[in-house]
Amino acid sequence: AQSVTQLGSHVSVSEGALVLLRCNYSSSVPPYLFWYVQYPNQGLQLLLKYTSAATLVKGINGFEAEFKKSETSFHLTKPSAHMSDAAEYFCAVGRGGTSYGKLTFGQGTILTVHP
Amino acid sequence: DARVTQTPRHKVTEMGQEVTMRCQPILGHNTVFWYRQTMMQGLELLAYFRNRAPLDDSGMPKDRFSAEMPDATLATLKIQPSEPRDSAVYFCASGGQANTGELFFGEGSRLTVL
Repeated sequence: AQSVTQLGSHVSVSEGALVLLRCNYSSSVPPYLFWYVQYPNQGLQLLLKYTSAATLVKGINGFEAEFKKSETSFHLTKPSAHMSDAAEYFCAVGRGGTSYGKLTFGQGTILTVHP
Repeated sequence: DARVTQTPRHKVTEMGQEVTMRCQPILGHNTVFWYRQTMMQGLELLAYFRNRAPLDDSGMPKDRFSAEMPDATLATLKIQPSEPRDSAVYFCASGGQANTGELFFGEGSRLTVL
Protein backbone atom coordinates (compact mmCIF):
# COMPACT_ATOMS: atom_id res chain seq x y z
CA ALA A 1 0.00 0.00 0.00
CA GLN A 2 1.11 3.55 -0.64
CA SER A 3 0.26 6.76 1.18
CA VAL A 4 1.21 10.41 1.23
CA THR A 5 1.18 12.91 4.08
CA GLN A 6 1.44 16.60 3.39
CA LEU A 7 2.41 18.53 6.50
CA GLY A 8 0.41 21.72 6.75
CA SER A 9 -2.86 22.26 4.94
CA HIS A 10 -2.08 25.98 4.62
CA VAL A 11 1.25 27.74 4.13
CA SER A 12 1.60 31.50 3.93
CA VAL A 13 4.73 33.32 2.72
CA SER A 14 5.68 36.80 1.65
CA GLU A 15 6.53 37.57 -1.94
CA GLY A 16 10.23 36.89 -2.45
CA ALA A 17 10.49 34.50 0.49
CA LEU A 18 11.43 30.83 0.38
CA VAL A 19 8.62 28.38 -0.31
CA LEU A 20 8.80 25.00 1.44
CA LEU A 21 5.96 22.50 1.14
CA ARG A 22 6.46 19.24 2.96
CA CYS A 23 5.57 15.76 1.75
CA ASN A 24 6.30 12.37 3.30
CA TYR A 25 5.40 9.12 1.62
CA SER A 26 5.03 5.47 2.42
CA SER A 27 5.63 2.81 -0.19
CA SER A 28 6.59 -0.85 -0.13
CA VAL A 29 8.32 -0.57 -3.49
CA PRO A 30 10.57 2.10 -5.05
CA PRO A 31 8.16 4.96 -5.58
CA TYR A 32 7.48 7.39 -8.33
CA LEU A 33 6.78 10.78 -6.76
CA PHE A 34 5.00 13.79 -8.16
CA TRP A 35 4.03 17.34 -7.29
CA TYR A 36 0.96 18.79 -8.96
CA VAL A 37 -0.44 22.33 -8.76
CA GLN A 38 -4.10 23.27 -8.99
CA TYR A 39 -5.25 26.81 -9.68
CA PRO A 40 -8.86 27.77 -8.88
CA ASN A 41 -11.44 26.08 -11.11
CA GLN A 42 -8.79 24.19 -13.03
CA GLY A 43 -7.44 20.67 -13.22
CA LEU A 44 -4.14 19.49 -11.80
CA GLN A 45 -0.97 20.38 -13.64
CA LEU A 46 2.30 18.50 -13.22
CA LEU A 47 5.08 20.55 -11.59
CA LEU A 48 7.76 17.88 -11.40
CA LYS A 49 8.34 14.17 -11.01
CA TYR A 50 10.86 11.74 -9.54
CA THR A 51 11.21 8.36 -11.21
CA SER A 52 14.44 6.92 -9.76
CA ALA A 53 16.90 9.07 -11.68
CA ALA A 54 18.50 12.16 -10.08
CA THR A 55 17.34 12.75 -6.51
CA LEU A 56 17.13 16.52 -7.01
CA VAL A 57 14.38 17.21 -9.49
CA LYS A 58 13.75 20.53 -11.18
CA GLY A 59 10.31 21.44 -12.44
CA ILE A 60 8.43 24.28 -14.00
CA ASN A 61 8.10 27.81 -12.61
CA GLY A 62 11.34 27.56 -10.61
CA PHE A 63 10.22 24.75 -8.30
CA GLU A 64 12.38 21.83 -7.30
CA ALA A 65 12.12 18.85 -4.98
CA GLU A 66 14.61 16.47 -3.42
CA PHE A 67 13.96 12.78 -2.93
CA LYS A 68 15.37 11.60 0.40
CA LYS A 69 14.91 7.89 0.81
CA SER A 70 16.21 7.79 4.39
CA GLU A 71 13.60 10.36 5.43
CA THR A 72 10.88 9.11 3.04
CA SER A 73 10.41 12.72 2.03
CA PHE A 74 9.90 14.66 -1.18
CA HIS A 75 9.64 18.30 -0.10
CA LEU A 76 8.91 21.02 -2.67
CA THR A 77 10.89 24.26 -2.60
CA LYS A 78 11.21 27.52 -4.49
CA PRO A 79 13.82 30.13 -3.53
CA SER A 80 11.63 33.18 -4.12
CA ALA A 81 7.83 33.18 -4.10
CA HIS A 82 5.79 35.07 -6.67
CA MET A 83 2.19 36.16 -6.32
CA SER A 84 1.35 33.84 -9.20
CA ASP A 85 2.46 30.82 -7.12
CA ALA A 86 -0.68 31.09 -4.96
CA ALA A 87 -2.51 27.81 -5.55
CA GLU A 88 -3.08 24.40 -4.04
CA TYR A 89 -0.26 21.88 -4.28
CA PHE A 90 -0.60 18.12 -4.19
CA CYS A 91 2.06 15.53 -3.59
CA ALA A 92 1.39 12.09 -5.08
CA VAL A 93 3.02 8.66 -5.01
CA GLY A 94 2.79 6.00 -7.67
CA ARG A 95 4.67 3.01 -8.95
CA GLY A 96 5.80 1.49 -12.19
CA GLY A 97 5.06 -1.92 -13.58
CA THR A 98 1.47 -2.92 -14.18
CA SER A 99 0.13 -0.28 -11.78
CA TYR A 100 1.73 2.67 -13.53
CA GLY A 101 -0.38 5.81 -13.45
CA LYS A 102 -2.36 4.80 -10.36
CA LEU A 103 -1.48 7.67 -8.05
CA THR A 104 -2.29 8.24 -4.40
CA PHE A 105 -2.60 11.92 -3.55
CA GLY A 106 -1.98 13.83 -0.36
CA GLN A 107 -4.64 16.11 1.07
CA GLY A 108 -3.11 19.20 -0.51
CA THR A 109 -1.45 22.36 0.76
CA ILE A 110 -2.87 25.76 -0.03
CA LEU A 111 -0.10 28.29 -0.62
CA THR A 112 -0.88 31.95 0.01
CA VAL A 113 1.61 34.61 -1.09
CA HIS A 114 1.42 38.04 0.54
CA PRO A 115 2.71 41.21 -1.14
CA ASP B 1 -1.84 21.23 -27.85
CA ALA B 2 -2.86 17.81 -26.54
CA ARG B 3 -5.22 17.89 -23.60
CA VAL B 4 -7.85 15.87 -21.78
CA THR B 5 -11.33 17.20 -22.52
CA GLN B 6 -14.22 16.82 -20.12
CA THR B 7 -17.89 17.64 -20.55
CA PRO B 8 -19.94 19.13 -19.07
CA ARG B 9 -17.85 21.61 -17.10
CA HIS B 10 -20.75 22.34 -14.81
CA LYS B 11 -23.91 20.39 -14.07
CA VAL B 12 -26.74 21.17 -11.66
CA THR B 13 -29.37 18.52 -11.26
CA GLU B 14 -31.98 17.30 -8.84
CA MET B 15 -31.70 14.29 -6.61
CA GLY B 16 -32.72 11.12 -8.39
CA GLN B 17 -31.74 12.26 -11.86
CA GLU B 18 -29.21 10.48 -14.04
CA VAL B 19 -25.90 12.23 -14.67
CA THR B 20 -23.39 11.34 -17.36
CA MET B 21 -19.92 12.84 -17.53
CA ARG B 22 -17.70 12.37 -20.55
CA CYS B 23 -13.97 12.42 -21.10
CA GLN B 24 -11.81 12.44 -24.19
CA PRO B 25 -8.30 11.31 -23.23
CA ILE B 26 -5.17 12.49 -24.99
CA LEU B 27 -4.76 10.66 -28.28
CA GLY B 28 -2.48 7.69 -27.87
CA HIS B 29 -2.83 7.44 -24.09
CA ASN B 30 -3.90 3.95 -23.05
CA THR B 31 -4.79 4.61 -19.41
CA VAL B 32 -7.76 6.64 -18.19
CA PHE B 33 -8.61 7.52 -14.59
CA TRP B 34 -11.65 9.01 -12.87
CA TYR B 35 -11.03 10.97 -9.66
CA ARG B 36 -13.49 12.79 -7.42
CA GLN B 37 -12.48 15.86 -5.45
CA THR B 38 -14.33 17.19 -2.39
CA MET B 39 -13.30 19.46 0.44
CA MET B 40 -13.74 16.71 3.00
CA GLN B 41 -12.16 13.75 1.20
CA GLY B 42 -9.71 15.41 -1.16
CA LEU B 43 -8.87 13.49 -4.34
CA GLU B 44 -10.31 9.98 -4.45
CA LEU B 45 -9.68 7.46 -7.20
CA LEU B 46 -12.98 6.07 -8.45
CA ALA B 47 -11.95 3.84 -11.35
CA TYR B 48 -9.39 3.35 -14.06
CA PHE B 49 -9.00 1.68 -17.41
CA ARG B 50 -6.09 0.43 -19.43
CA ASN B 51 -6.54 -0.29 -23.12
CA ARG B 52 -10.28 0.24 -22.46
CA ALA B 53 -10.47 -2.61 -19.95
CA PRO B 54 -11.49 -1.74 -16.38
CA LEU B 55 -8.63 -2.48 -13.98
CA ASP B 56 -9.91 -1.14 -10.70
CA ASP B 57 -13.24 0.36 -9.71
CA SER B 58 -13.03 -0.38 -6.01
CA GLY B 59 -13.35 3.31 -5.15
CA MET B 60 -16.70 3.62 -6.82
CA PRO B 61 -20.12 3.06 -5.19
CA LYS B 62 -21.29 0.17 -7.32
CA ASP B 63 -24.98 0.57 -6.71
CA ARG B 64 -25.24 3.94 -8.43
CA PHE B 65 -21.99 4.61 -10.30
CA SER B 66 -20.79 3.03 -13.51
CA ALA B 67 -17.79 3.75 -15.70
CA GLU B 68 -17.19 2.63 -19.27
CA MET B 69 -14.92 3.18 -22.25
CA PRO B 70 -16.99 2.55 -25.37
CA ASP B 71 -13.95 3.33 -27.50
CA ALA B 72 -10.40 4.62 -27.14
CA THR B 73 -11.48 8.26 -27.47
CA LEU B 74 -14.32 8.29 -24.95
CA ALA B 75 -14.69 7.44 -21.28
CA THR B 76 -17.96 7.92 -19.41
CA LEU B 77 -18.92 8.10 -15.76
CA LYS B 78 -22.59 7.70 -14.98
CA ILE B 79 -24.47 8.25 -11.74
CA GLN B 80 -28.00 6.88 -11.46
CA PRO B 81 -29.76 7.92 -9.32
CA SER B 82 -27.79 10.94 -8.17
CA GLU B 83 -27.76 12.06 -4.54
CA PRO B 84 -26.71 15.33 -2.87
CA ARG B 85 -23.60 13.62 -1.43
CA ASP B 86 -22.39 13.08 -5.01
CA SER B 87 -21.82 16.82 -5.35
CA ALA B 88 -18.13 17.20 -6.17
CA VAL B 89 -15.69 17.94 -8.96
CA TYR B 90 -15.02 14.89 -11.09
CA PHE B 91 -11.69 14.75 -12.89
CA CYS B 92 -10.63 12.56 -15.74
CA ALA B 93 -6.92 11.97 -16.30
CA SER B 94 -5.03 10.03 -18.92
CA GLY B 95 -1.55 8.61 -19.10
CA GLY B 96 0.53 6.61 -21.47
CA GLN B 97 4.08 6.56 -20.19
CA ALA B 98 4.73 3.32 -18.36
CA ASN B 99 8.19 4.43 -17.28
CA THR B 100 6.97 7.54 -15.45
CA GLY B 101 3.36 7.04 -14.45
CA GLU B 102 2.65 10.69 -15.20
CA LEU B 103 -1.01 11.71 -15.48
CA PHE B 104 -2.58 14.55 -17.44
CA PHE B 105 -5.77 15.97 -15.98
CA GLY B 106 -8.82 17.52 -17.56
CA GLU B 107 -10.37 20.65 -16.12
CA GLY B 108 -13.07 18.72 -14.31
CA SER B 109 -16.85 18.48 -14.24
CA ARG B 110 -18.39 20.30 -11.29
CA LEU B 111 -21.56 18.46 -10.23
CA THR B 112 -24.16 19.91 -7.89
CA VAL B 113 -27.05 17.67 -6.87
CA LEU B 114 -29.91 19.52 -5.18
